[in-house]
Parts: sequence; structure tokens; C-alpha cells
Amino acid sequence: SQQGEEDPQALSIQEGENATMNCSYKTSINNLQWYRQNSGRGLVHLILIRSNEREKHSGRLRVTLDTSKKSSSLLITASRAADTASYFCATDPVHQGAQKLVFGQGTRLTINP
Amino acid sequence: GAGVSQSPRYKVAKRGQDVALRCDPISGHVSLFWYQQALGQGPEFLTYFQNEAQLDKSGLPSDRFFAERPEGSVSTLKIQRTQQEDSAVYLCASTRTVYNEQFFGPGTRLTVL
Repeated sequence: SQQGEEDPQALSIQEGENATMNCSYKTSINNLQWYRQNSGRGLVHLILIRSNEREKHSGRLRVTLDTSKKSSSLLITASRAADTASYFCATDPVHQGAQKLVFGQGTRLTINP
Repeated sequence: GAGVSQSPRYKVAKRGQDVALRCDPISGHVSLFWYQQALGQGPEFLTYFQNEAQLDKSGLPSDRFFAERPEGSVSTLKIQRTQQEDSAVYLCASTRTVYNEQFFGPGTRLTVL
């Protein structure tokens, strides 16, 4: 079963705009990770945020984590055509053993030139 | 160094055949994970190894699925008597230590006819 739920399921924006994706989960976590997957390819790790962190940045990516609301957001600024992909959040639930990641169904992001 | 590699990249099997999928993790990575990703879904956990020990196999769908990592490096996921519902992408991931980011291979796309 999948714990995370991404919102929206699909997002289409113009190049240069910012894209925001949200993830909600159900149980307490050790950390939350965001991954990108291009069509037909493997998952690329983007960022990991631990349960005691609230915000993290990496280049054009900004991730927030609100453990009280059990939610996270991924912001991609100044989007590019190459950002077109599916984005997944993955949680590492507490009490489920060593980092058995639980993925959501993903957000399909399309950047229009 | 090299990332996680998987072979074959594509596998077509007739229903009832046995298949073996290989994963070469990043050198020195202690932990290895297998996930199954159905079309349009997020990956779902199958099993986890720490070195050669299989510590969690709770995600394996049936006793037709078997995984091993005899020397603590390369791992093989074997599916016996394949069925159509086994069609999916099988992803392998490794991590240096627990509670860190998992690095994924490109996956093996299995199609059972």
C-alpha cells in the first residue's frame, strides 16, 4: 500500500514559471525524499529532508516539511523543458524497519516551451 | 564511480517461464533494495538486504518471488512461473548506510505474455 499522496496528479506550466507539488503522508517518518523519473527511466534522487528539518534547498529546488500536518512540498523555480518528468515523494516510516521507502503515485509535470 | 546497474533492461517472458533479474549496486553500499513499479504507479517495496542478509521480504507478492545476495554485493531477483500480473518495472536501489538517500538503477521492464 502507498502512504504518500501527491497533489496534483498532473501539472502543466509554461517554461520559466514555478512549479509546486505537494505530498501528504499518514504515519510518523524518519525522513522524506523526493525523486524525479523521466519517461522509461530510473529514479533520480533530488533531495532528502529529515524529520527534524523544516526546509531544504538545492539549486532551483526548495523542499519544505511540516510534520504536524504530515505534508511536504517541492518547489521548482524558473522551470525548464528538461524538468518535464514525474516527481515522487517517498517516506521512510518509523517502525517499519530500515528505510523501506513508501512512495506516492507521483505528479506528472509538463513544462511547455 | 558507476551507479547502480541492472540487467537485462528489458525482458519478455511467456507465462509460466522463470526469470532472473540482476542488480549491481554501487561499490561499497551495504544496503540493497528491490521495488516493483506498475505502469502509472509509484514503486512498491519488495525486499531489503543488509550485506548478504535478507532482513525484510515482506513486500514479495508470493512465494514465486525469491531474492538473494550471496556475497553481499550483486543481487538477483528470481520470479518463478511468471504470470501476467508480474509485468512491471523492477527497480533496484542501494545506499551506503541506513537513513540516507537511495540510489536507483534504470530498472528492468518485465513483460509477461
